[in-house]
Amino acid sequence: GAGVSQSPRYKVAKRGQDVALRCDPISGHVSLFWYQQALGQGPEFLTYFQNEAQLDKSGLPSDRFFAERPEGSVSTLKIQRTQQEDSAVYLCASSLSGGAYDYGYTFGSGTRLTVV
Amino acid sequence: AQKITQTQPGMFVQEKEAVTLDCTYDTSDPSYGLFWYKQPSSGEMIFLIYQGSYDQQNATEGRYSLNFQKARKSANLVISASQLGDSAMYFCASNQAGTALIFGKGTTLSVSS
Repeated sequence: GAGVSQSPRYKVAKRGQDVALRCDPISGHVSLFWYQQALGQGPEFLTYFQNEAQLDKSGLPSDRFFAERPEGSVSTLKIQRTQQEDSAVYLCASSLSGGAYDYGYTFGSGTRLTVV
Repeated sequence: AQKITQTQPGMFVQEKEAVTLDCTYDTSDPSYGLFWYKQPSSGEMIFLIYQGSYDQQNATEGRYSLNFQKARKSANLVISASQLGDSAMYFCASNQAGTALIFGKGTTLSVSS
């Protein structure tokens, strides 16, 4: 596609519910990144894929968070047993390679998750 | 580990004036990239400008320029001739080979007429 597509755009979950957030990157982009952005804050890194390999998951805040990219394209971020502190915008970005000289990062519009 | 520091939570400027948004960085790798993004209230992340660590010249893109001072680990964004549409949150970010973009906490810019 022309851009990075994220769905759903908005999600309201009851505390304790599981949610799945989808990211469809630009076709051919090798690297995919997930970020969590709380209101008024900068995006915080969650995890990073190169093709289907999850190279860095150091930013995942707890074992309730899980991400996958099984075929090296679409990625899903799953949050189990959601808590109120999980309320945030979840941003996905993709890039052609993801190295230091790759400045072609494209961000999706994000999924705004509200846990009630 | 990389770290980005933006010390100005908010900046105020009048239309047509220039404004500088501060950013300092800390990185362990001699090869890195520096970025500035704009995020309006709509939430989209808009790429503004990029500077590679080995670039000799400061990057410029239209009204945006990056004042890169490597020895001071500083990468300030300069916006010339501010416009009302520049009101937004601005993020400085960096990456190294094999790592994700790491962002600062951001600066909210308000442009008044």
